[in-house]
Amino acid sequence: EDKVVQSPLSLVVHEGDTVTLNCSYEVTNFRSLLWYKQEKKAPTFLFMLTSSGIEKKSGRLSSILDKKELFSILNITATQTGDSAVYLCAPRGSNYKLTFGKGTLLTVNP
Amino acid sequence: DGGITQSPKYLFRKEGQNVTLSCEQNLNHDAMYWYRQDPGQGLRLIYYSQIVNDFQKGDIAEGYSVSREKKESFPLTVTSAQKNPTAFYLCASEGEVREKLFFGSGTQLSVL
Repeated sequence: EDKVVQSPLSLVVHEGDTVTLNCSYEVTNFRSLLWYKQEKKAPTFLFMLTSSGIEKKSGRLSSILDKKELFSILNITATQTGDSAVYLCAPRGSNYKLTFGKGTLLTVNP
Repeated sequence: DGGITQSPKYLFRKEGQNVTLSCEQNLNHDAMYWYRQDPGQGLRLIYYSQIVNDFQKGDIAEGYSVSREKKESFPLTVTSAQKNPTAFYLCASEGEVREKLFFGSGTQLSVL
């Protein structure tokens, strides 16, 4: 059975702080790992990672994958209140199936 | 605009009733998915379809049924056999490249 563990489950920070969200996984026939941001309803895509050690960046967000140790991290620098959301990690395994973690609830206070 | 449309946004189910959630996409995607999300939980896969007229059970298919008669449409029926249907339901689709899922805005189902 495919497994995904995200940590921490929730996090409260002040604007300007830097945060690191963790995702460890065990999936059969790993293909890729996706990160999503869910503010209210529909999750929005952030990154897809397929190769170890190659950082993906988008503005203040960045992510990296370690296929040997089976984890990924999502970094957010200089956090803003608009970053408050649930961040979901989802590795893709056999049959292209995505398994979602429970998410990390990030709250950024002004 | 291309996208995925879910309806209704809110739905109430009476005891013993079947209800159907609609999901339509105009992205020309082959693969479509239904997920259930409970408070504080991640998304759990109910059913998925990779091509018209074919679908597979996900991790929590009991009490649900689907059909895929058209590429654009993947309705989900929550049957009376689903004893705890209150949840947020998300539909998603994906193209051939398999890079990312596109999500609809969801349906919140509650039991009266």
